[in-house]
Amino acid sequence: GAGVSQSPSNKVTEKGKDVELRCDPISGHTALYWYRQSLGQGLEFLIYFQGNSAPDKSGLPSDRFSAERTGGSVSTLTIQRTQQEDSAVYLCASSSRAAGILREQFFGPGTRLTVL
Amino acid sequence: QQPVQSPQAVILREGEDAVINCSSSKALYSVHWYRQKHGEAPVFLMILLKGGEQKGHDKISASFNEKKQQSSLYLTASQLSYSGTYFCGTEIGDKIIFGKGTRLHILP
Repeated sequence: GAGVSQSPSNKVTEKGKDVELRCDPISGHTALYWYRQSLGQGLEFLIYFQGNSAPDKSGLPSDRFSAERTGGSVSTLTIQRTQQEDSAVYLCASSSRAAGILREQFFGPGTRLTVL
Repeated sequence: QQPVQSPQAVILREGEDAVINCSSSKALYSVHWYRQKHGEAPVFLMILLKGGEQKGHDKISASFNEKKQQSSLYLTASQLSYSGTYFCGTEIGDKIIFGKGTRLHILP
């Protein structure tokens, strides 16, 4: 079956522009996570969705970052007024999480964002 | 809150063994292990749910000492395919907080 997909795979933008990153989770997975991975760094949690709601947005670095999920499926991460420090690989993961139990997360290939 | 992994990097020859450690300053209820090969997405290895539990994945196994708030990943008779960055993660609320990773490079 299809795995998690993300688009675009690469995005180059100019400082100050807005960007939208898309994630298509595995069908039926209710939990969706966004992570950021800077060069040589670990996986930095950004936000978690259960269905369409986001119970945990604690990892969003600033109010320039926002995310939404519609239909319990596709999610979009939006970065407004991009800065050079936003350059990173943005990873999405989905999981068939049952209440109170964290299960295996399936990661997408990521979107490499470069802010010039 | 972020778990601490050690070592940061290790170089082995094929066939050698390695241990990667993960420790937390907070109580651990579970530990998740993932491997990320260069240029690829992280891939799930295992979840350890109980204190003292050991699980295995091919020649990769792990232990979880809840009392010591730490987990260790054991790679036995390493293969070239084991190269990559290994991340441990701990559950905090509804999310996993990952460590900074341990880079493992296997030489032929």
